Amino acid sequence: DAGITQSPRYKITETGRQVTLMCHQTWSHSYMFWYRQDLGHGLRLIYYSAAADITDKGEVPDGYVVSRSKTENFPLTLESATRSQTSVYFCASSPQGASYEQYFGPGTRLTVT
Amino acid sequence: GQNIDQPTEMTATEGAIVQINCTYQTSGFNGLFWYQQHAGEAPTFLSYNVLDGLEEKGRFSSFLSRSKGYSYLLLKELQMKDSASYLCAVRDYGGATNKLIFGTGTLLAVQP
Repeated sequence: DAGITQSPRYKITETGRQVTLMCHQTWSHSYMFWYRQDLGHGLRLIYYSAAADITDKGEVPDGYVVSRSKTENFPLTLESATRSQTSVYFCASSPQGASYEQYFGPGTRLTVT
Repeated sequence: GQNIDQPTEMTATEGAIVQINCTYQTSGFNGLFWYQQHAGEAPTFLSYNVLDGLEEKGRFSSFLSRSKGYSYLLLKELQMKDSASYLCAVRDYGGATNKLIFGTGTLLAVQP
């Protein structure tokens, strides 16, 4: 029972490169989310998805692209990485319904040099 | 606008009780969540309040007052392992989404 996993766990990349962070959940949850966490800012929502093929912008979407062709996967792509995108990225999922909490993956620590 | 305020840091003694406050101003409200996050780890769910009052779960309790836009998390019989960040999050009332708006978190240090 893997739950929700993220890969890679650590990534160092150079400015201008494209990088994709993977997120996979085994619960068949409807909702999936991508957050970034930076000191002083807390968790900020980048993109979310209510179901396969349905995605929408969060608070800080610029420079990121998402897709969701299958319910269990929700990859996040940085099209041209910048130093300001150095952060810890968390993926989360939840069932549909107001009272359900979000379950977080272990995070990916991304450094852009 | 959306705003969630929590104290940045708190210190407490092992065995004591600590209360972490959260105030919020959001365009809508459909529930408040508390999460615990240890350093270098993912947030984990602690509690959920949607109606006014106190929800108790073991050593942890959470209170909500919707009219005041206020919640607190109460931790009793503090243990060293309770040293962590505590995140307050509000579910904004906005159709069928499960979006949460997070505060910046309160870093709690439990001292012997």
